[in-house]
Formats: sequence, C-alpha cells, structure tokens
Amino acid sequence: TQLLEQSPQFLSIQEGENLTVYCNSSSVFSSLQWYRQEPGEGPVLLVTVVTGGEVKKLKRLTFQFGDARKDSSLHITAAQPGDTGLYLCAGYSTGGFKTIFGAGTRLFVKA
Amino acid sequence: ETGVTQSPTHLIKTRGQQVTLRCSSQSGHNTVSWYQQALGQGPQFIFQYYREEENGRGNFPPRFSGLQFPNYSSELNVNALELDDSALYLCASSLVFRTGGSETQYFGPGTRLLVL
Repeated sequence: TQLLEQSPQFLSIQEGENLTVYCNSSSVFSSLQWYRQEPGEGPVLLVTVVTGGEVKKLKRLTFQFGDARKDSSLHITAAQPGDTGLYLCAGYSTGGFKTIFGAGTRLFVKA
Repeated sequence: ETGVTQSPTHLIKTRGQQVTLRCSSQSGHNTVSWYQQALGQGPQFIFQYYREEENGRGNFPPRFSGLQFPNYSSELNVNALELDDSALYLCASSLVFRTGGSETQYFGPGTRLLVL
C-alpha cells in the first residue's frame, strides 16, 4: 500500500518567519503535487513536480522533489497570514490511475 | 475557480438512508475521481471513472457506487449510510490519455455530508 506521510501535522508561526513542510513515502511516484485547501473548499493545486531532484519556485514558495521521487518538501519564505491553510501533498502513480494524499500540514500564520 | 461544480453543497441524512452526490466536470475532461475527506484528514480516494467505466477503486465497500454520464458528469451514491460516512466528498476532473498519462486534476468545492 502506498502511503504519504506529512510533517509536521500542525504549524503555528509568526508573520515573516520561514518554514519547511515535508512529504515522505517508501514508494516511488511518477509525479507529486502540492495543494492548498481553505476551510469549506476543495484543494487547489500549487505545483506538480515530475523529475527527481526538480526544484520549482512559486513566488515565496519553493518545492523540491527528492532524487528518488519518493519525497518532497515545501519551503515558504517570509510567511504571511494569507498563507494560512491546509497544505496537502499527493502522489500520482500512472499504473494505478489514482492519487494518494497525505494527511496534510495545517499552517497558521499569525499577524 | 476550477470549473468543477458539485451539488448539493451541504446535506444532512440519517443512518440507513441513501444519498446521491453530483459532479460536473471541467469542459474537455474525460475522467472524474471521487474522494472522501474526514475532518482533519487528507482526501481518501474512493474511485475513478474514465469514459463511463470504473477505472480504479480505493478501500471503500460496495455500498459506495458511482456513475459517469456521456457528458462526463458523475454521481456518487452511498447506500445504508453510517455515522462514519460524515465527511466532505470531493470530486476532481482531469484529462487522461490512452497512454496512461494524465493532465492535472481540478477539484470541486465538495459536498459536506452529515449523517445523524
């Protein structure tokens, strides 16, 4: 069974601080996605990483895919209250035709 | 906004009842996946429909069933509701290619189901 473990589960920080959240698995995925979900809404895709070692930047967010395509990290620089939300990683396996989600990291950024 | 819509937005049922949830996929997409998201958890894959046929199923009992229509919209049916079925039900549409590749899936806002 493929599993994705996210850490930490919960993070509360002050505005302006940096943070990193992690997504780990013992399985290899053909691609990995990061989503952000607001209360009462569906997840919104932030980025997809496909190649082992790939690094993508989205403004203050930096995403990295592990060399073996089993893990990923999301780094936020100078967090803002608008970054508050549930951050989900999800792995996609072509053969399985399904997406496996982690349990998420709930981030709260205080002004 | 993703173009994926779901109805209803909220629903209250009692144990043993049946429920049907609906999803309209984004234009041009041929695949719909359904997920169950319990409070404080990540979404759990229920099943996927590709070209009107079930194309993969997660660890959910047969009382969870679905349909996909020629216009690629979809329904999720749950029979004999249990208290633990209370959750946010999300659908996501995507374009899946015959070769197995897939474009990004886009999620709807979800239907929040409460079973009393």
